[in-house]
Amino acid sequence: ETGVTQTPRHLVMGMTNKKSLKCEQHLGHNAMYWYKQSAKKPLELMFVYSLEERVENNSVPSRFSPECPNSSHLFLHLHTLQPEDSALYLCASSQDPSSYEQYFGPGTRLTVT
Amino acid sequence: DQQVKQNSPSLSVQEGRISILNCDYTNSMFDYFLWYKKYPAEGPTFLISISSIKDKNEDGRFTVFLNKSAKHLSLHIVPSQPGDSAVYFCAASLTPGGAGGTSYGKLTFGQGTILTVHP
Repeated sequence: ETGVTQTPRHLVMGMTNKKSLKCEQHLGHNAMYWYKQSAKKPLELMFVYSLEERVENNSVPSRFSPECPNSSHLFLHLHTLQPEDSALYLCASSQDPSSYEQYFGPGTRLTVT
Repeated sequence: DQQVKQNSPSLSVQEGRISILNCDYTNSMFDYFLWYKKYPAEGPTFLISISSIKDKNEDGRFTVFLNKSAKHLSLHIVPSQPGDSAVYFCAASLTPGGAGGTSYGKLTFGQGTILTVHP
């Protein structure tokens, strides 16, 4: 595997479910990011991790819970989501947090029913 | 309030002609700008960037122009090819540790423009 991978690629969940999104980067980068892209809206930054430490929580509701166990893996734990949380969730990584160029995974298309 | 805007949702161009994608921003503190390309079912991929100390950066068929006084950014693709058909996002960033107040390179994205290049 190369680059940034995300699993699953598609996820349908009910509002009472708990699920997790997984991201893995094979680039040796030290910073990882979660973005949300809703229909016809720009990408919105959710969380930033630098060397497994969270450096940004962009006013994200607590029903989204990130976890970064090491610099190669990033998770987004989901619980009691709302239908308006349906979106494309993109993971990205960069060499370090000050790097402008970010490398994105293919995203997870989430539908909350 | 959207700080980075791409006012054209879509653009259609004939193969071999020039494609011009536009982007406007409101925050004069932005000092680094990037263009990303996104194919369906894939994540955005970095295309080209420009620092605010320059007004032009060229990479093969792709050239980015920056007009700081107008707070306007454009991407020129010459000649356009059918494989260029994708969604193009512009993004702007503040210098980490600068007046923007973040310790990392925070990217602010536009909504994207769908480019279709017809054979």
